[in-house]
Amino acid sequence: GAGVSQSPRYKVAKRGQDVALRCDPISGHVSLFWYQQALGQGPEFLTYFQNEAQLDKSGLPSDRFFAERPEGSVSTLKIQRTQQEDSAVYLCASSLRQEYGNTIYFGEGSWLTVV
Amino acid sequence: AQSVAQPEDQVNVAEGNPLTVKCTYSVSGNPYLFWYVQYPNRGLQFLLKYITGDNLVKGSYGFEAEFNKSQTSFHLKKPSALVSDSALYFCAVRDGEYTGRRALTFGSGTRLQVQP
Repeated sequence: GAGVSQSPRYKVAKRGQDVALRCDPISGHVSLFWYQQALGQGPEFLTYFQNEAQLDKSGLPSDRFFAERPEGSVSTLKIQRTQQEDSAVYLCASSLRQEYGNTIYFGEGSWLTVV
Repeated sequence: AQSVAQPEDQVNVAEGNPLTVKCTYSVSGNPYLFWYVQYPNRGLQFLLKYITGDNLVKGSYGFEAEFNKSQTSFHLKKPSALVSDSALYFCAVRDGEYTGRRALTFGSGTRLQVQP
């Protein structure tokens, strides 16, 4: 696939359940980002990886949120003990290199609904 | 801190007319500016970016944007709107060379509605 791939596309979780969202970036892309987008709003930054190193996790809203990219390719965003306020679209994005002018390409998102 | 403002929640334009979607930014260093478009239930698609050089940037689908440093603006434009351009548009900025921050900061989005 040529683009950023995310799964599942849709997830309904019961409050308190743990969820895991997967991101497969464009092959060879060094940088990987996770964003959270609430309905009708702009994406909000969660965390950033350069290869396998998590260099910025300043946007993670609580310690219930955890992300990893162990081999510098696929990444997983895990949310423990989900709450209703976690309902949002989770967008993964990647860029070829870490330079600031590099274009960031987004996946189609994982839609999480917590009931 | 870097920030982006999109002052219009919605822009309405008739098909065939020119369109402008406004964006202003605030950064500490030199800005890297981006426009993305989002169709319903889809992710963000890259349209264009300004890094350096010519202030008029051309991008996908006939869109262009003009960087204005004195007004700290980066408005998105298209000479002739299509109904298929109706979507949500996001402006984003990065000034990482000053802050070391790699992430894009997004505006709140502007919904473009093109009427037939």
